[in-house]
Amino acid sequence: AQSVAQPEDQVNVAEGNPLTVKCTYSVSGNPYLFWYVQYPNRGLQFLLKYITGDNLVKGSYGFEAEFNKSQTSFHLKKPSALVSDSALYFCAVRDIGSNYQLIWGAGTKLIIKP
Amino acid sequence: DAGVTQSPTHLIKTRGQQVTLRCSPKSGHDTVSWYQQALGQGPQFIFQYYEEEERQRGNFPDRFSGHQFPNYSSELNVNALLLGDSALYLCASSLTNEQFFGPGTRLTVL
Repeated sequence: AQSVAQPEDQVNVAEGNPLTVKCTYSVSGNPYLFWYVQYPNRGLQFLLKYITGDNLVKGSYGFEAEFNKSQTSFHLKKPSALVSDSALYFCAVRDIGSNYQLIWGAGTKLIIKP
Repeated sequence: DAGVTQSPTHLIKTRGQQVTLRCSPKSGHDTVSWYQQALGQGPQFIFQYYEEEERQRGNFPDRFSGHQFPNYSSELNVNALLLGDSALYLCASSLTNEQFFGPGTRLTVL
């Protein structure tokens, strides 16, 4: 069965420090991987995706993510956190071979403290 | 480009009633997916429409139904509402792999 795990409910980071939000996945075939961000009372905004190619993917707002096939991980990173990065972050995966739906993690609340 | 739009933004219904939610996709997008997001949880896939047909369905009962029109806009219908149907309902449109989300409709069932 396909699944996505975000092991941390909440991540706290001081402004200016690097941040990492973790995501691991399980699919039967090759994955499409996505990160989205959700601000309060807003819909989901696309950050970045991995389809194929370079394992390091760069996305919006200075975020990047590294695809690691052996560890089945797709952690979200940013070198220097901003207070405005505080939001809810979701990792999602789609199994290329089997279906069209996105499977979502439960979300990680990122809090950046000034 | 207006992006993905959804209406209404908020809705209050009572148990047993029926509700219709609407979604207009981003210009040029032909695929619409619907998700239910309960408070504090990730989105749950309801179904996806492509070429006016339901292409795939998640684990939701038949009380949840939908429709896609020739202009690619879509409706989500929920019959016999239950308290547990209270959630944020998200519509996403896509052309290839990347899904663009609307702001959602907050449904409260009393």
